[in-house]
Amino acid sequence: EAGVVQSPRYKIIEKKQPVAFWCNPISGHNTLYWYRQNLGQGPELLIRYENEEAVDDSQLPKDRFSAERLKGVDSTLKIQPAELGDSAVYLCASSQTGGSAFFGQGTRLTVV
Amino acid sequence: GENVEQHPSTLSVQEGDSAVIKCTYSDSASNYFPWYKQELGKGPQLIIDIRSNVGEKKDQRIAVTLNKTAKHFSLHITETQPEDSAVYFCAAIWGAQKLVFGQGTRLTINP
Repeated sequence: EAGVVQSPRYKIIEKKQPVAFWCNPISGHNTLYWYRQNLGQGPELLIRYENEEAVDDSQLPKDRFSAERLKGVDSTLKIQPAELGDSAVYLCASSQTGGSAFFGQGTRLTVV
Repeated sequence: GENVEQHPSTLSVQEGDSAVIKCTYSDSASNYFPWYKQELGKGPQLIIDIRSNVGEKKDQRIAVTLNKTAKHFSLHITETQPEDSAVYFCAAIWGAQKLVFGQGTRLTINP
């Protein structure tokens, strides 16, 4: 069974440019999470989806971040415009409702 | 909101010895406590988890204990091996599926 797939693995962009990350969750997992992990810290939740509905986006900086999960399967996280402080690893995870969360490899974003 | 405190932040043990990492949580309603191992350049990997109706769970060299009264849970790794070196994160489910992580423990196994 394929795990959570994220792309790209690495992205370097200049500040003020847009960037997008893609995530394909494990088949059958209706819960999808986007986390941000800064160097040396634990992951912090940005947004959680139950199917196509965003049920927790309280930590998402909505002035520049957006996310969508059309059809309740794969998801895209976008930043526009990117700032230097957005440099981090962006992790996607998925689970069945009430089940364990499984993570993808992450996308390492560097904003220069 | 939920808060998970993890310690120590770094831990160094001799190969073959045991390692213990401890976490505390703030929300007594938390009912699910997973542990993740993260190697350099990779995403967190689930290694073991425990639910609030269980006090202890073991899987080969790894065990997790839960004290609901004290709101503590711990990861125990016995007979440590070099490949156990990684960053370990505890987490707690808060509310409906909100997974909150501790700050992480960098474990180093010395040969």
